[in-house]
Amino acid sequence: GIQVEQSPPDLILQEGANSTLRCNFSDSVNNLQWFHQNPWGQLINLFYIPSGTKQNGRLSATTVATERYSLLYISSSQTTDSGVYFCAVGGVSNYQLIWGAGTKLIIKP
Amino acid sequence: SAVISQKPSRDICQRGTSLTIQCQVDSQVTMMFWYRQQPGQSLTLIATANQGSEATYESGFVIDKFPISRPNLTFSTLTVSNMSPEDSSIYLCSVEPTGNTEAFFGQGTRLTVV
Repeated sequence: GIQVEQSPPDLILQEGANSTLRCNFSDSVNNLQWFHQNPWGQLINLFYIPSGTKQNGRLSATTVATERYSLLYISSSQTTDSGVYFCAVGGVSNYQLIWGAGTKLIIKP
Repeated sequence: SAVISQKPSRDICQRGTSLTIQCQVDSQVTMMFWYRQQPGQSLTLIATANQGSEATYESGFVIDKFPISRPNLTFSTLTVSNMSPEDSSIYLCSVEPTGNTEAFFGQGTRLTVV
């Protein structure tokens, strides 16, 4: 099955800093999503991005499907950005989402 | 998009008892997904629930331990049976309203078994 690797596993930044989170996947996908899990456990869908680039405020994401990676950019970090960021992919022949291990982001004031 | 109401948000239960988690969706969806997230870990799919048929369980999960109901296209329940401390996790339900695209999640149920 598809393997999903996220890096870095942990990231500690000062408020206002920028960050780049990476998601590598081992096979062709037709579904790729980025999620933010807040400290209370709720998962929020940030981007559905199997290819191309999207932006939403301070967040943007780029997926290069031919090279099997996706990047999530967070600019001008705020303490509310803290939490775990997950990448999940869906294969061409399987509707199930395969989840990465996540990147734990801590933004210090 | 979809809005999912999941209850309870948290619970502390005695070992050997059972807990039923409910998810109500604001629109009709074909498939609902139940996940478990153990402390500090990623999400693991427990089962996929289709209306009118038996749920499909992933390897390592069995119906006797995690019975699922799906009485209609907007509602599902997951029961965690005969609980042990190893069942302490966050349980989440999810839907993909437009099929294999964006997934939306309930608020999660944080279960502690003592």
